[in-house]
Amino acid sequence: KQEVTQIPAALSVPEGENLVLNCSFTDSAIYNLQWFRQDPGKGLTSLLLIQSSQREQTSGRLNASLDKSSGRSTLYIAASQPGDSATYLCAMEYGNKLVFGAGTILRVKS
Amino acid sequence: GAGVSQSPSNKVTEKGKDVELRCDPISGHTALYWYRQSLGQGLEFLIYFQGNSAPDKSGLPSDRFSAERTGGSVSTLTIQRTQQEDSAVYLCASSVDRGAQYFGAGTRLSVL
Repeated sequence: KQEVTQIPAALSVPEGENLVLNCSFTDSAIYNLQWFRQDPGKGLTSLLLIQSSQREQTSGRLNASLDKSSGRSTLYIAASQPGDSATYLCAMEYGNKLVFGAGTILRVKS
Repeated sequence: GAGVSQSPSNKVTEKGKDVELRCDPISGHTALYWYRQSLGQGLEFLIYFQGNSAPDKSGLPSDRFSAERTGGSVSTLTIQRTQQEDSAVYLCASSVDRGAQYFGAGTRLSVL
């Protein structure tokens, strides 16, 4: 069974701190990996997509990496801001579907 | 519109009634997906469309659930004889072939 695990489940940090969110997966036969954020009561916003042949992607203060051999991905957020507070979800694309982790709830305190 | 549009945003229904949820994908996106997000189960895949065909229906939880897509665009997810366990947020996403999936805001379904 394809499983995706995210650690930690929740994280609270002071504004300005750099932080890392972790995602692990059991089946390395992924096509793509996607990181999303979800604000309360809202849909999912795509942050970064890493194709299986790639190792990392960067967008602004966000950097995501993929290590298929170890079954891990990380999302690095630099200089966190209160506006970064949200739930962050990683998702692996297998076949024609995304398999999601349970998410990390991030709170950035001002 | 520029993004994926879903309607209604909220739906309250009585147990046993049928409901229809609509998804209008991003123009030009050939692939369309339905997911369900519930407290106990997280985000789960329901069905995938490529054009008007649904080659992967493996996530539909029972035969009360069905979906169709017409004109390679709008999709409708239908739930017949709703049950309380169907209460969830139903999310639609679209993509260009195997690219990034872009999600709508979802339909929150409450079955009383």
